[in-house]
Amino acid sequence: ETGVTQTPRHLVMGMTNKKSLKCEQHLGHNAMYWYKQSAKKPLELMFVYSLEERVENNSVPSRFSPECPNSSHLFLHLHTLQPEDSALYLCASSQDRTGSSGSYEQYFGPGTRLTVT
Amino acid sequence: QKEVEQNSGPLSVPEGAIASLNCTYSDRVSQSFFWYRQYSGKSPELIMSIYSNGDKEDGRFTAQLNKASQYVSLLIRDSQPSDSATYLCAVPMFSGGYNKLIFGAGTRLAVHP
Repeated sequence: ETGVTQTPRHLVMGMTNKKSLKCEQHLGHNAMYWYKQSAKKPLELMFVYSLEERVENNSVPSRFSPECPNSSHLFLHLHTLQPEDSALYLCASSQDRTGSSGSYEQYFGPGTRLTVT
Repeated sequence: QKEVEQNSGPLSVPEGAIASLNCTYSDRVSQSFFWYRQYSGKSPELIMSIYSNGDKEDGRFTAQLNKASQYVSLLIRDSQPSDSATYLCAVPMFSGGYNKLIFGAGTRLAVHP
């Protein structure tokens, strides 16, 4: 495997289900991100993990729960979602150079297309 | 003022023409700038990075940076229908001890035969 992988690629779940999205990066990076992209809307940053510590939570509802057990893996646990949560969920990683706003490429996984019924 | 601004388009150009995509940003201390391409239903793909004032060329793509004007652009020469996508401009922001990327809303490009 290379780059950033995400599973599953597609997920249909009911509002009472519990599911988890998985992301794995093979780039040796130390920062990982969850984004949400709804139809015809810009990317929305949800969570940031830097050195396995959650450093940002962009006012995301508690029905979304992230987990970062190590620098290569990131999960997004989902429970009691709403239909408006249907979107493309993207994971990304980067090498965070602390104390600088310099070179900072971020690489995305293919995304999980989530449909909440 | 939004931190990263782009014209949403659509920008429609004929095949073979030059497509010019523009982006302005608000953070004067930003040092690096990125262009991503996103096909419909797919994830963003990094296509260009630029760090210094001036032009950077990579194949049919040229990124132009003017830090004094806080302006970065992407030129696509000899546009092809396969270039039809949304192009996202991204600028790092250092806040709270870590970096994050601020994305523009994207410009949709349509290249017609």
